[in-house]
This record gives sequence, structure tokens and C-alpha cells, in this order.
Amino acid sequence: AQSVAQPEDQVNVAEGNPLTVKCTYSVSGNPYLFWYVQYPNRGLQFLLKYITGDNLVKGSYGFEAEFNKSQTSFHLKKPSALVSDSALYFCAVRDAGFQKLVFGTGTRLLVSP
Amino acid sequence: DADVTQTPRNRITKTGKRIMLECSQTKGHDRMYWYRQDPGLGLQLIYYSFDVKDINKGEISDGYSVSRQAQAKFSLSLESAIPNQTALYFCATSEGGSYTDTQYFGPGTRLTVL
Repeated sequence: AQSVAQPEDQVNVAEGNPLTVKCTYSVSGNPYLFWYVQYPNRGLQFLLKYITGDNLVKGSYGFEAEFNKSQTSFHLKKPSALVSDSALYFCAVRDAGFQKLVFGTGTRLLVSP
Repeated sequence: DADVTQTPRNRITKTGKRIMLECSQTKGHDRMYWYRQDPGLGLQLIYYSFDVKDINKGEISDGYSVSRQAQAKFSLSLESAIPNQTALYFCATSEGGSYTDTQYFGPGTRLTVL
């Protein structure tokens, strides 16, 4: 069965610095990977997804993610963090054999001024 | 996403009561999902529906039931609520037809069972 791990419960970064939120996955076939963000009192918002092709995927709000097949990772990145990026981030995976998304436990990003 | 709405947004109820959470969407998507979110556990799938006549159990369906009244409406019921069903509940939709399609989430319903 597919699974996703987000090893960090919280990531702290200063505004203006680059940020990385980590995600590793396990699937039996080709991975289809997603990142979502949840702001306080809001539902999850789609950020980006990897289907195939370029290993660097660009998404909303200046975020990007790097797919690494050999390390089974799909880390979320942003070159310069904003205080407004502070939120809960979820990685999710769906493999070719399943119709559902499996979510990680989430990583809280805290960007300090 | 305003295209996916959930009612109520907050609900406090007592153990043993029947509760219905409703989800409506204007995105025209065939697929709809119910998740619950607990701190430290991420999102867990309760039920999903790929069209009006197709209902499937998710990871944690015990104690829940659903109804797909129309393409745009998908309701979640707790027949006899218990305190460990206190959680944040999300409805989501997707267009379907591909393993790569994206799910879009409603704003959530915060349910407290006393």
C-alpha cells in the first residue's frame, strides 16, 4: 500500500530565507504526488503536483517541489519565505493502482519576521 | 474553495445524537470525498463516491454513513455520535477520469461531541 512520511512536525524559518518541507513516499508503481496547504480555519488548498516529466515542479504562491525517484522524496521548497506562508502543509500520494489520496501527517511551517 | 461548501461550519452535540454534515459543490465534479482530520494524524478518508450510484468505504468508515443525493451533494451522517468522533471534517471533490486529478476541499466542519 502507498504511504507518505513527513518527518518534521514543525519547520521554523526566518522571513526571506529559503524553506524546505520534507516528504518521502512509498508506492508500488508510478507515484503521483501532491502538496496541499492549510491556513487556519480553512480547508486544504492545492499547491502543486508531480505526474511525470521534469523533476522540478512549480506551483502556486512561489512554491516548487523537487521529485527524486532514487530517494523517493518530494520536498517542497521556496527560495524566500514570507510570514504569510506560515501554515500546515500536507504531502499526499496516489499510485496507479488506487483511486484515493493518502496524506502525510502534516508539517507546520512557522515563518518569523 | 468557495465552489465547495459545507454546513454547518461548527457543531457541538451530545453523545448518542444523530448528526448530519452536508457538502455541496458547484464545480460539476463527479467524485466526492469525506475526510476527518485529527491533530498529528493528517487526513483520513471516511467515504468516497465516484458518481451518484457509487459509494465506497474509506479507511475509517465505522460509525459513519453517507448519502449521495445528487451529483452536487454528498452528506455524512453520524448515527449515534461518540466523543472520539470529535474532529474536523472535510469534504472534497475531484473531476475524476485520471489518477492525476486534483481534489478540491471545502472549508471544513468542526464537530465536538460531548
